[in-house]
Amino acid sequence: IVLTQSPGTLSLSPGERATLSCRATQTIKDNFLAWYQQKPGQSPRLLIYGVFRRATGIPDRFSGSGSGTDYTLIISRMEPEDFALYFCQHYGRSRGAFGPGTAVDMK
Amino acid sequence: HLQESGPTLVKSSETLSLTCTVSGGSISGSNLYWGWIRQSPGKGLQWIGDIQASGTTYYNPYLMSRVMISVDTSKNLFFLKMVSVTAADTAIYFCANMSQIALAADWGRGILVTVSS
Repeated sequence: IVLTQSPGTLSLSPGERATLSCRATQTIKDNFLAWYQQKPGQSPRLLIYGVFRRATGIPDRFSGSGSGTDYTLIISRMEPEDFALYFCQHYGRSRGAFGPGTAVDMK
Repeated sequence: HLQESGPTLVKSSETLSLTCTVSGGSISGSNLYWGWIRQSPGKGLQWIGDIQASGTTYYNPYLMSRVMISVDTSKNLFFLKMVSVTAADTAIYFCANMSQIALAADWGRGILVTVSS
């Protein structure tokens, strides 16, 4: 399974809503779809797993949805600390493919 | 807490060897997985493989012919060995605690490994 993400770059202002897309070349089974956030010079941080489950400590302005081959990460209102790179990932037995990422930068 | 260590410069065709030190909890204290992920400018993020405290391993099919992950539960360490490296293996290597196979819940800070010719 190969994951593609769109857009490549998203330019937003604080307070705006961010909609990030992740598309798989095949149906993802068992809801094994995750999202990560990475800031410059830092390790990625798990945000969402199981399509819609927030990881520990992740604020509820982050939400995930989708099924089949199409998945979405929504940040309801961008905070200054949310400007970063976002990756989707298909995980599970002998998998682990990441998408190329969407950069969310400040307009 | 996870911390990667090892040589940061490896010669082409040789073996890359990294150690991950786990602190703040026992590596064998749960049914979790412990794994390695790398990140390079050209290939982005790539899952390498995971190991359980029992020693059961899971590998990325594209890398499994060159990779071995092992664990030392007595020292709370796990390891990555990658043989026959090339410049394409130059990357930041992260160790991580995986809540499911390839699902990295907690990450180390990463170590940049450069493969030189």
